[in-house]
Amino acid sequence: DADVTQTPRNRITKTGKRIMLECSQTKGHDRMYWYRQDPGLGLRLIYYSFDVKDINKGEISDGYSVSRQAQAKFSLSLESAIPNQTALYFCATSDLTVGYTFGSGTRLTVV
Amino acid sequence: DQQVKQNSPSLSVQEGRISILNCDYTNSMFDYFLWYKKYPAEGPTFLISISSIKDKNEDGRFTVFLNKSAKHLSLHIVPSQPGDSAVYFCAASSARQLTFGSGTQLTVLP
Repeated sequence: DADVTQTPRNRITKTGKRIMLECSQTKGHDRMYWYRQDPGLGLRLIYYSFDVKDINKGEISDGYSVSRQAQAKFSLSLESAIPNQTALYFCATSDLTVGYTFGSGTRLTVV
Repeated sequence: DQQVKQNSPSLSVQEGRISILNCDYTNSMFDYFLWYKKYPAEGPTFLISISSIKDKNEDGRFTVFLNKSAKHLSLHIVPSQPGDSAVYFCAASSARQLTFGSGTQLTVLP
């Protein structure tokens, strides 16, 4: 089993729909992150959480919300999806060291 | 304003030769620098890192160089292999949060 699992792997949704991307990790780490990748822009931080009761906005949080249901689970929601949220989304986890472990990504298309 | 920049979107190198990927940063508070490698349909995977107090770190075929005065780091891959073809992201850490560059697509030609 992967250390960080993201579901779904691919999703096509319509403008205005609510969608949730889920992430779970088996590393036992406290810190979890959501990033999106766009061509030419690299990975940009959406939200991060340092423990279950700690949620923080990242660089591009507008239009997104998150929920940290447990140490191992961190979900990302788009309340009303719009086409410019079409991107590749990555969840990651880390401990107190620097390196992150990433999931395989969710490819989201908003039509 | 991007704090971590990779100005070359792509690089092609012959197998066996050296690959040099570059990265520039603007924030003097970054304390660690990392390189991640990403294959299609997979998440980024950690490759190598360097502390801001060092100027070189080597791991097998991979060496990262840090020039703090120039706010510049580079990743050298010697010798390059076709399996090294991937997107390489430079990242910088401050308060245990990573800021990523836009990536460089490396293609190693057989």
